[in-house]
Amino acid sequence: QKEVEQDPGPLSVPEGAIVSLNCTYSNSAFQYFMWYRQYSRKGPELLMYTYSSGNKEDGRFTAQVDKSSKYISLFIRDSQPSDSATYLCASRGYQKVTFGIGTKLQVIP
Amino acid sequence: GAVVSQHPSWVICKSGTSVKIECRSLDFQATTMFWYRQFPKQSLMLMATSNEGSKATYEQGVEKDKFLINHASLTLSTLTVTSAHPEDSSFYICSARALTYNEQFFGPGTRLTVL
Repeated sequence: QKEVEQDPGPLSVPEGAIVSLNCTYSNSAFQYFMWYRQYSRKGPELLMYTYSSGNKEDGRFTAQVDKSSKYISLFIRDSQPSDSATYLCASRGYQKVTFGIGTKLQVIP
Repeated sequence: GAVVSQHPSWVICKSGTSVKIECRSLDFQATTMFWYRQFPKQSLMLMATSNEGSKATYEQGVEKDKFLINHASLTLSTLTVTSAHPEDSSFYICSARALTYNEQFFGPGTRLTVL
């Protein structure tokens, strides 16, 4: 079993839709949770970083962590074609970050 | 956010040659740097972790004599792929974290093609 599981998609949505991206993790030692956005042939860009369970909002993005069920979510409101990218969830304990495989999102105009 | 640069952004080399990739943290001191490799449609695979002034710690299955990592200063780490072969062709991405940050920031990546 992978430590961080993520559906690779692809996920296609119409412009303006609310996008829900999800991951599960298995390691109880994970304390930090991140979402990265990666455009094709580029390095990952940190979108959201959370430490505790609960919600964190930044503009159109909301990250949600439920440590009791080991579930991580990212919601994108009013999705735009420029949001089309691969979204990687990641978790970290003390040192090493473990990434999910990434979900490819396409927002159709 | 913190900025990490990588150079070169892409490189093509002949089989058997060595290639050096530089990773720099531009506006913070990176006490820890990470090197990843990413194959098409796959996630990031951690190759090694390096702390400034110390030897790198390599992940299982990564040949330390083939992938030489140097982290000589708080703003610079280098990855040298020695005697590169076509199977080493991949997207190499560095990442850096400062002592005071919990976040990890990534460089733009280097695409290596070995002919």
